[in-house]
Amino acid sequence: GAVVSQHPSWVICKSGTSVKIECRSLDFQATTMFWYRQFPKQSLMLMATSNEGSKATYEQGVEKDKFLINHASLTLSTLTVTSAHPEDSSFYICSARGLWTALMETQYFGPGTRLLVL
Amino acid sequence: LAKTTQPISMDSYEGQEVNITCSHNNIATNDYITWYQQFPSQGPRFIIQGYKTKVTNEVASLFIPADRKSSTLSLPRVSLSDTAVYYCLVGVPNTDKLIFGTGTRLQVFP
Repeated sequence: GAVVSQHPSWVICKSGTSVKIECRSLDFQATTMFWYRQFPKQSLMLMATSNEGSKATYEQGVEKDKFLINHASLTLSTLTVTSAHPEDSSFYICSARGLWTALMETQYFGPGTRLLVL
Repeated sequence: LAKTTQPISMDSYEGQEVNITCSHNNIATNDYITWYQQFPSQGPRFIIQGYKTKVTNEVASLFIPADRKSSTLSLPRVSLSDTAVYYCLVGVPNTDKLIFGTGTRLQVFP
């Protein structure tokens, strides 16, 4: 099956610093990537949709200036949490969509990145 | 986007068949139904996807009635390693996003 990787798998940073998370599709080209955030015991919450070569589309309530998304190529999207604060501590997951048949597209998810802001 | 409703949790024992039903009363004509599995501190893993009737793969079956207002994920002979959260999602091919509901927390006991 399709493989999506994330780096780093976990990160601890001080409050006020910026953290970059990479999402890569390893064996397919992803025209669209998605970023989710998940708090403990809760479901995934979609943050933004990232299309290669264009600006990301953010969900309501997600600050675009705080969560910078760059989709520079068909295999790489990055999420930068700027000026991170303890309330940004969460599990961040990306997914990538690839074309599998003429009719159906399926999203494949990365393993997630655990962010802890002290 | 069609909203989905699933049981919050289910319990089972090893070797049993588990059926998790998802309601999606407002499913649109072009929507597909996709199920994901998620273990703690991991990203969701694709299980199965279907549009109508029955779909089967090596890990599960998906039953979709004619009106498509619900679907049932069937896990044959579950093991302890099937303990996870299972999400039912409804979406249109080529649409921009999938919205996760609460999911069903399946606990398998020995």
